[in-house]
This record gives sequence, structure tokens and C-alpha cells, in this order.
Amino acid sequence: GNSVTQMEGPVTLSEEAFLTINCTYTATGYPSLFWYVQYPGEGLQLLLKATKADDKGSNKGFEATYRKETTSFHLEKGSVQVSDSAVYFCALTPNSGGGADGLTFGKGTHLIIQP
Amino acid sequence: DAGITQSPRHKVTETGTPVTLRCHQTENHRYMYWYRQDPGHGLRLIHYSYGVKDTDKGEVSDGYSVSRSKTEDFLLTLESATSSQTSVYFCAISETGARGNTIYFGEGSWLTVV
Repeated sequence: GNSVTQMEGPVTLSEEAFLTINCTYTATGYPSLFWYVQYPGEGLQLLLKATKADDKGSNKGFEATYRKETTSFHLEKGSVQVSDSAVYFCALTPNSGGGADGLTFGKGTHLIIQP
Repeated sequence: DAGITQSPRHKVTETGTPVTLRCHQTENHRYMYWYRQDPGHGLRLIHYSYGVKDTDKGEVSDGYSVSRSKTEDFLLTLESATSSQTSVYFCAISETGARGNTIYFGEGSWLTVV
């Protein structure tokens, strides 16, 4: 079956530090890959996505590249802000089945940015 | 904004009582989902629907039932709530595009069973 593995944290960084949150996956075929962000007390917001190998998703200064050879989709940001403090989820969905499989999630990484 | 509304947003109920959570969408998406979120487990799929009256089980469906009598509404029912069903419940829809499916979430329903 499909699975997603990500560091759970908490990950604590100082403001303006470089961020990497690792995500690796197991899936058959060619899944689409996603990063979602959840701020305290809120729902999940789509942060970025990539649908094929070597695609780079980007949004709000965050980037992630779909690496099929290493089955990875690591999230990076060059300079984090206190407002980036949240829980980040890596997820995948198969590109077959038309949506029946929904999303398979990692367990989430709690990111804390200190001023 | 994917036009998803969940109700109620917060509920406290007693063990053994029935509870229904409602998900309403405004954009006529075919696929709808219910997930639950728990510490240490991330999000897990409870049930999903692929059309009116067409539903199927997800990973953690025991103790839950669903119904979809209209395209826009997807109901999740706990027939007899238990403390293990205390959780945050998220509804989601799947938007199909040229670059595959993208899933968007509602704001969540916080359920406490006491």
C-alpha cells in the first residue's frame, strides 16, 4: 500500500533560519505529492503540490521538488518567519482511480519558529 | 476557497448518543471525504463518496456511517458515540484538473465525547 514518512518534530528554529522538512513516500505508479499546512485551531490548507517527477511546487517562499529516484518530496524555505509556525503534512494521492483513494498522509511535523 | 462548510464546528456530547456532522459544498464536486485527525496518527480516512448514494469505507470506518442524498451534502453519523471518537473531523472534496486531483479541506469539526 501507499505510505508517507516525515519527521514529526517538534522542529524548533530561529527566525530567518533555513528550513528543511524531510518527506519520503512509498507508492506504486506515479502519485501526486502535496504539502499541507495547519495553523493552530484551523483546518488544512494546501501549501504546494507536484504531479510528476522533477516538478517543483512553490508557494509563499516554500518549495519542494518531486524526486522519483529517491522517492522524496522535501519541503524547504530559505528564511522562516514566526508566522510559519504550524504543523506541516506531506501527503500523496495516486493518479489513478479518479479520487477513490483520497490522500495518504504523513503524521505531520510541528514547526516552531522563535523570534 | 473550495466552498466547503462543516457544521457544527464544535460539539460536546455524551457517550452513547448519536451525532451527525454535516459537510456542505457549493461547487458540485463528485468526490467527498471524511477524515479524522488524532495526535500521533495524522489524518485517517473514515469514509468517502463518489456520487449521490455512492459511498465506500476508508481506513477507520468502524462506528461510523455516512449518507449522501444530494451532491452538495455529505453526512457523517456516529450511531452511538464513544470516547475513542473524540477527535477533529475534516471534510474534504477532490477537484479534478489537467494536472491530476487536488484535495481541499473544510475548517474542521471538533467533537468531544464525555
